[in-house]
Amino acid sequence: AQTVTQSQPEMSVQEAETVTLSCTYDTSESDYYLFWYKQPPSRQMILVIRQEAYKQQNATENRFSVNFQKAAKSFSLKISDSQLGDAAMYFCALQGGSEKLVFGKGTKLTVNP
Amino acid sequence: DSGVTQTPKHLITATGQRVTLRCSPRSGDLSVYWYQQSLDQGLQFLIQYYNGEERAKGNILERFSAQQFPDLHSELNLSSLELGDSALYFCASSGRTSGRTTDTQYFGPGTRLTVL
Repeated sequence: AQTVTQSQPEMSVQEAETVTLSCTYDTSESDYYLFWYKQPPSRQMILVIRQEAYKQQNATENRFSVNFQKAAKSFSLKISDSQLGDAAMYFCALQGGSEKLVFGKGTKLTVNP
Repeated sequence: DSGVTQTPKHLITATGQRVTLRCSPRSGDLSVYWYQQSLDQGLQFLIQYYNGEERAKGNILERFSAQQFPDLHSELNLSSLELGDSALYFCASSGRTSGRTTDTQYFGPGTRLTVL
């Protein structure tokens, strides 16, 4: 079975500061993909970043980057220069073996002005 | 805007009723996925269709069924509704090439179902 664990139900950050959201996962697959999705109050699920497990290099998308530690099965999301619009629920997701996504329970991020 | 559309946005109905949720994937996407988001269960995969055929099944109740039509839109049918079926139902699509597992899933805005 594949599992995704987000141990931080809530996090907060000051505007313009940096915050890191944690995610650990478990899978027996050798080929898999990891994602962070953002869900703002509008409830839309928005793709933030994607990481292929076979790639050593950590993915980066503008202010968003990941720290992918394959041996430790850890996949954290770093948000730099946090903005008010970054406030949302963030979900870590795993796709491996089958095409379905397995999600963590989410981390609610608050950005303080 | 992800390019995935879902209708209706909101649906309020009574226990025992049947509803149909509709999804139109991004142009060219062959795979459609349905997910349920509820407070107690979180985000759960229900079912996947690829080019009209059922490809994978998750924790989908027997009261629920889905199909994908030749124009690639999909419908999720929920019957004999119970209070616990109240949730946000998402459709996602992927697979502009061959439906490889590497294709990222893009989500629609969801349908909020309330069962009274």
